[in-house]
Amino acid sequence: DTEVTQTPKHLVMGMTNKKSLKCEQHMGHRAMYWYKQKAKKPPELMFVYSYEKLSINESVPSRFSPECPNSSLLNLHLHALQPEDSALYLCASSQEVGGYTFGSGTRLTVV
Amino acid sequence: KNEVEQSPQNLTAQEGEFITINCSYSVGISALHWLQQHPGGGIVSLFMLSSGKKKHGRLIATINIQEKHSSLHITASHPRDSAVYICAVTLNNAGNMLTFGGGTRLMVKP
Repeated sequence: DTEVTQTPKHLVMGMTNKKSLKCEQHMGHRAMYWYKQKAKKPPELMFVYSYEKLSINESVPSRFSPECPNSSLLNLHLHALQPEDSALYLCASSQEVGGYTFGSGTRLTVV
Repeated sequence: KNEVEQSPQNLTAQEGEFITINCSYSVGISALHWLQQHPGGGIVSLFMLSSGKKKHGRLIATINIQEKHSSLHITASHPRDSAVYICAVTLNNAGNMLTFGGGTRLMVKP
């Protein structure tokens, strides 16, 4: 298996909702990443997990809460989001050094 | 000034043309990545380079470490090559984090 699988592909949520984005890989990669991408912009790093521990949090608001239950799974819990949080959320994985594998993303719309 | 600059920002080509996208960086790197993103889609990793040249099908990537420059070439371009091509680097002493260029939006017309 050489893929990163993200679910759901699309999500519409209200500002009072709680939802979660999921990411799964079975390549044995020990680093997993969440990126946020706005239209026509490059991805912005949000969080990095290395060996299932949060190693980087790029000053992301607390309404985004990451979780890494095991080496294959990465979740992003969403609560009380704002319309400006609408974006494509990308998950990626890699070894400690080396190439990346990206998921196809979750397109999030906050209404 | 961004650490990673790409040119051109936008490129329109006719089917069959040879295409070159350029990437320059201003810092020491451990590797350079070329990525492809179709509209509304996820990102596909095309190449990871630390020296020399790599080829995969109609795609060729080169890097000149001394000049801090890389190029992505597409031979015999096809409309399905229409996408955003992103150059990204991993900086020395920064683990495996990616620093992205602004992307090149390519449209290949039939």
